Amino acid sequence: EDQVTQSPEALRLQEGESSSLNCSYTVSGLRGLFWYRQDPGKGPEFLFTLYSAGEEKEKERLKATLTKKESFLHITAPKPEDSATYLCAVQAGGNEKLTFGTGTRLTIIP
Amino acid sequence: NAGVTQTPKFQVLKTGQSMTLQCAQDMNHEYMSWYRQDPGMGLRLIHYSVGAGITDQGEVPNGYNVSRSTTEDFPLRLLSAAPSQTSVYFCATRQGDGNEQFFGPGTRLTVL
Repeated sequence: EDQVTQSPEALRLQEGESSSLNCSYTVSGLRGLFWYRQDPGKGPEFLFTLYSAGEEKEKERLKATLTKKESFLHITAPKPEDSATYLCAVQAGGNEKLTFGTGTRLTIIP
Repeated sequence: NAGVTQTPKFQVLKTGQSMTLQCAQDMNHEYMSWYRQDPGMGLRLIHYSVGAGITDQGEVPNGYNVSRSTTEDFPLRLLSAAPSQTSVYFCATRQGDGNEQFFGPGTRLTVL
């Protein structure tokens, strides 16, 4: 059974304090690993897709990396507007279902 | 270009009532899915469709029905609402296998 575990559950950082969020996964034949951002009361917003170990993608202050067992979302010099819950999900090959983690709630303090 | 729209935004039902959650997309995506999100749990797939006229069950299908008569619309029907169906429901679409899903704004449903 596919599984996704995200850590930490919650993270509070000072503005400008860089850190990383972790997504550990087990899946039979990874088709893709996805990162989403979710603001309170809204739907998840797509950030990145990673397909194979060693792949990296960047967007503004965010950088996602992937190994065979985990993915990291690195946040560099975060701003208060980066506060949100960050979700990780995996899709197995030949399977429509995305398996989601429970998310990391990130708070950036001005 | 509205993307993915869902109605209603909020709904309160009594146990045993039925209702339909609406989802529409204007991106011409083949794949559409329904998820539910509960506190402390990840999003879970209820039903999905890979094209008009084709639907299949996800992880938690019991108590829900779907149909897909057009590419644009994918309604979710609750046949006889139960308190366990209190949740936030999200519709999502994507184009092609392995591609990212785009989510709607959600419907918050409370069953009393």
